[in-house]
Amino acid sequence: EVQLVESGGGLARPGGSLRLSCATSGFSFSIYWMHWVRQAPGKGLVWVSRIISDGTSTSYADSVKGRFTISRDNAKNTLYLQMNSLTVEDTAIYYCARTWEPRDAFDFWGQGTLVTVSS
Amino acid sequence: DIQMTQSPSSLSAFVGDRVTMTCRARQSISTYLNWYQQKPGKAPKLLISGASSLESGVPSRFSGSGSGTDFTLTISSLQPEDFATYYCQQSYSGYTFGQGTKLEIK
Repeated sequence: EVQLVESGGGLARPGGSLRLSCATSGFSFSIYWMHWVRQAPGKGLVWVSRIISDGTSTSYADSVKGRFTISRDNAKNTLYLQMNSLTVEDTAIYYCARTWEPRDAFDFWGQGTLVTVSS
Repeated sequence: DIQMTQSPSSLSAFVGDRVTMTCRARQSISTYLNWYQQKPGKAPKLLISGASSLESGVPSRFSGSGSGTDFTLTISSLQPEDFATYYCQQSYSGYTFGQGTKLEIK
């Protein structure tokens, strides 16, 4: 059974940092592209970042570029998102999701982890 | 970024109704259009990929069509479990979601 389980969310102060993790199982993690998608409270879905299967290429939404870093450990089947210089606008549920190829759909999602940025 | 616009933003219908919602891309995206269902407090679930390919396990009352810039999601006979928010998403260039259509019980 395919599983993606996010962790690491919580309360952070503006300007602070958090590191999210997405532990996966039930599929060949190392051959999938992985993504982070977020959803602010009561709002829609917004793609945040992606990393290709071998980790050598990453991409970010303009809103997080230079502040967030996506990475992966294929030996541990785990995806990460390092979030620095957090602002209140980063408050959201963060989901990890996978795609088989660049133009594929997000076919499996984690349950999400809530990040709240507040003073 | 390719902007995606869904309409309507909300929709009320009865169990058993046939409903259609639309998604429009600002530029042609071929058939790189996916539909997701999201229920409150849950992660999105992929329903349809490639504009019209039904995912395994998704009931056949769901169907998708379209290519280029205009796409539709149709539910042929609404069931109580179908009341949710539906998002379209393009994967032609980057990844962009529509703002969602909230389907409510009338």
